[in-house]
Amino acid sequence: QITLKESGPTQVRPTETLTLTCSFSGFSLSTSGEGVGWIRQPPGKALEWLALIYWDDDDRYSPSLETRLTITKDTSKNRVVLTMTNMDPVDTATYYCAHYNVYWASYIWWGQGTLVTVSS
Amino acid sequence: QSVLTQPPSVSSAPGQKVTISCSGSNSNIGKNYVSWYQHLPGTAPKFVIDDKNKRPSGIPDRFSASKSGTSATLGITGLQIGDEADYYCATWDSSLNSWVFGGGTKLTVL
Repeated sequence: QITLKESGPTQVRPTETLTLTCSFSGFSLSTSGEGVGWIRQPPGKALEWLALIYWDDDDRYSPSLETRLTITKDTSKNRVVLTMTNMDPVDTATYYCAHYNVYWASYIWWGQGTLVTVSS
Repeated sequence: QSVLTQPPSVSSAPGQKVTISCSGSNSNIGKNYVSWYQHLPGTAPKFVIDDKNKRPSGIPDRFSASKSGTSATLGITGLQIGDEADYYCATWDSSLNSWVFGGGTKLTVL
């Protein structure tokens, strides 16, 4: 059974850096074809893709946010970390991490999400 | 403005069928697989089907998907109250080098 759980601060101030951790079980990021992505949903808005890291350390970022995002993985600890710099109130959202599989070309399993509010 | 266009809402009666469209372009739907997600606010989004009609275990065959050119469609038959949710299409965009999601469609079963 695959599970994912997001953790991190519930509130950050404008201009601060957000660091979110995705802890997962049931698969390994050392296995070919696996990946973990981050997707967010601002209140009342649609899902927005942020970043994806693959088993081979390849990564992809949303073009509109690329300069602010960094995604890394710790295979031994089954964790993926997303950092987002220069946070703004418009970044207030529920942040989800999700298990990606190349064979399915889909985000198969998702975490429950963590709400991050950006406010001074 | 989302790269993939979905109707904001659709509705149908219990037991009936509904389709949700997702319109894109040659660089996304026209070239890559489309996946569909069911999302109830406050819960984890759930992958329900892809355009090859592959469903994860636990998703009933009432859910179907298709693709033609630069458009994809999700179909749900035998609608149940429990199907009420927001549905999103998503795919890789080869020009943007990015995953893209549709704006979401709210399904009401009334």
